Amino acid sequence: GESVGLHLPTLSVQEGDNSIINCAYSNSASDYFIWYKQESGKGPQFIIDIRSNMDKRQGQRVTVLLNKTVKHLSLQIAATQPGDSAVYFCAETYQKVTFGTGTKLQVIP
Amino acid sequence: GAGVSQSPRYKVAKRGQDVALRCDPISGHVSLFWYQQALGQGPEFLTYFQNEAQLDKSGLPSDRFFAERPEGSVSTLKIQRTQQEDSAVYLCASSGDRESYTFGSGTRLTVV
Repeated sequence: GESVGLHLPTLSVQEGDNSIINCAYSNSASDYFIWYKQESGKGPQFIIDIRSNMDKRQGQRVTVLLNKTVKHLSLQIAATQPGDSAVYFCAETYQKVTFGTGTKLQVIP
Repeated sequence: GAGVSQSPRYKVAKRGQDVALRCDPISGHVSLFWYQQALGQGPEFLTYFQNEAQLDKSGLPSDRFFAERPEGSVSTLKIQRTQQEDSAVYLCASSGDRESYTFGSGTRLTVV
């Protein structure tokens, strides 16, 4: 069946550096993608989204890139801060959200 | 309310016991979703409501799982005869537009 998945289960980044979290999806019909951040003991929190008719979308300190040719998403976090430490999920949305496995981001002070 | 509220936050059940998990969505949100999240995994879809209608229950793992939303607002996820493999965090989300979801903090169920 369709699935979304991540390449790296854990990513350690020095505070102040940029972080890049990658995600592969398998359903070429997917047309809407979301990145979520999940802190310990909390539910997933919306970060940024992108539709399939776009290649790039920027938010505050975050950028999502979409490469439909290779079915790949990435989340870039600029000037990573300790508060960015969490598990990040990419997700495909069509009537319901389908999550990948997640990448744990550890920020080293 | 301002967000999605779930109760209880933690539940310990003996194997074979029935449990009921409650979700209070954001007021006015038409869509409501239940997800199951095992430790170290991403959330897995269980079921979806639009108002009081359960439109998709394809993710419910067995007939021991039952969800309802009788008045199109509060929803209850019931698990009968709990098993150890049911131990997980159960997340509820609501949406006003079927795309942007707001998740609750979840109920952590431990079956002993």
